[in-house]
Amino acid sequence: LAKTTQPISMDSYEGQEVNITCSHNNIATNDYITWYQQFPSQGPRFIIQGYKTKVTNEVASLFIPADRKSSTLSLPRVSLSDTAVYYCLVDYSSASKIIFGSGTRLSIRP
Amino acid sequence: NAGVTQTPKFQVLKTGQSMTLQCAQDMNHNSMYWYRQDPGMGLRLIYYSASEGTTDKGEVPNGYNVSRLNKREFSLRLESAAPSQTSVYFCASRKTGNTYEQYFGPGTRLTVT
Repeated sequence: LAKTTQPISMDSYEGQEVNITCSHNNIATNDYITWYQQFPSQGPRFIIQGYKTKVTNEVASLFIPADRKSSTLSLPRVSLSDTAVYYCLVDYSSASKIIFGSGTRLSIRP
Repeated sequence: NAGVTQTPKFQVLKTGQSMTLQCAQDMNHNSMYWYRQDPGMGLRLIYYSASEGTTDKGEVPNGYNVSRLNKREFSLRLESAAPSQTSVYFCASRKTGNTYEQYFGPGTRLTVT
């Protein structure tokens, strides 16, 4: 099974745009990419999903290049409350197996 | 809507004891999942149920059994707990179709001594 790879941690400041990239080299044709946010002592919370190109919702954008071997979560104008762990997840629809990445710990400073 | 609920919130077991973690969802979702999360780590899939009446192994199924009791409920059983099963356990559910959003419960913190 392929795994996803993300940076272990990132730091940024309030008001900045933050981009977190995830590598998923063995993604298959029917697999979707989703991103989750997790605060301490809570379950993960869904942020966004995508298949290709660009997806945007009210909280984030997701960029997926044509080869789909990576994806980038973009958080515009972060605030202190965006300090959390962010997980990239590839839903392997063909094998019905789900692999969470190890997560990126994002710290936002004033 | 309560979403996904899990009981208990906390549990301490001695090695060799058994217990069942309960999970229920009120969103009429077809798929349900059990994950474990060790300190400082990501989530690992233990078992999942794509629909009522079906279950399948995930990445780390050894030492666990599951039951999809009905569409709402999906339980996880530890028959003989081991210290290596000390973890936080999350249950999740998902509609099938083109949405891959999983809804997670608040978790059960299990310690095995």
